Amino acid sequence: GDSVTQMEGPVTLSEEAFLTINCTYTATGYPSLFWYVQYPGEGLQLLLKATKADDKGSNKGFEATYRKETTSFHLEKGSVQVSDSAVYFCALGTQGGSEKLVFGKGTKLTVNP
Amino acid sequence: GAVVSQHPSWVICKSGTSVKIECRSLDFQATTMFWYRQFPKQSLMLMATSNEGSKATYEQGVEKDKFLINHASLTLSTLTVTSAHPEDSSFYICSTASFEQRNQPQHFGDGTRLSIL
Repeated sequence: GDSVTQMEGPVTLSEEAFLTINCTYTATGYPSLFWYVQYPGEGLQLLLKATKADDKGSNKGFEATYRKETTSFHLEKGSVQVSDSAVYFCALGTQGGSEKLVFGKGTKLTVNP
Repeated sequence: GAVVSQHPSWVICKSGTSVKIECRSLDFQATTMFWYRQFPKQSLMLMATSNEGSKATYEQGVEKDKFLINHASLTLSTLTVTSAHPEDSSFYICSTASFEQRNQPQHFGDGTRLSIL
């Protein structure tokens, strides 16, 4: 079945450091890929998405490129801020996002001043 | 602004109590709603999928008599944890999707933290 494997955390960085959170997937067909962010005590917010191979999703300085050849969707940010501290979830969906999603286990990011 | 409203955000109650959690779609008609459960420091586990006007589809291992889901309208779905026990304590999150916007990502509520004493 479909699955998402996400880099285990926690990840601790200093402000302005470069961030990479790895995500690989296994799926039949051509899924859409998502990154969601969860701030403490809150629900999930969509951070970015990509719906086909070679698409790059971007938002708030975060980027991820849909790599079909490596079945990956790694999240990157060039310079993290303290406010980026949260848990990040990689997810896939097979119908663009409105169907049930398969989530990775989440990666907790802590950014220190 | 918020697209999905989930209520209550936090509830503490005694063992044996039934607890109802509401999930409201504010800006569009949610033909589908998903209910997730999240244990501390873990990922979201899909519990069930509900479509407006029909019975919910439960994931394997989820007790349908324990977790009652009602999706009577296009803007409201409820999850009732019946006769809750301490092991039901968790963070419950709903999300909504629309057939008309079926290529758009789901919108998530802010979650409900349930603590059973």
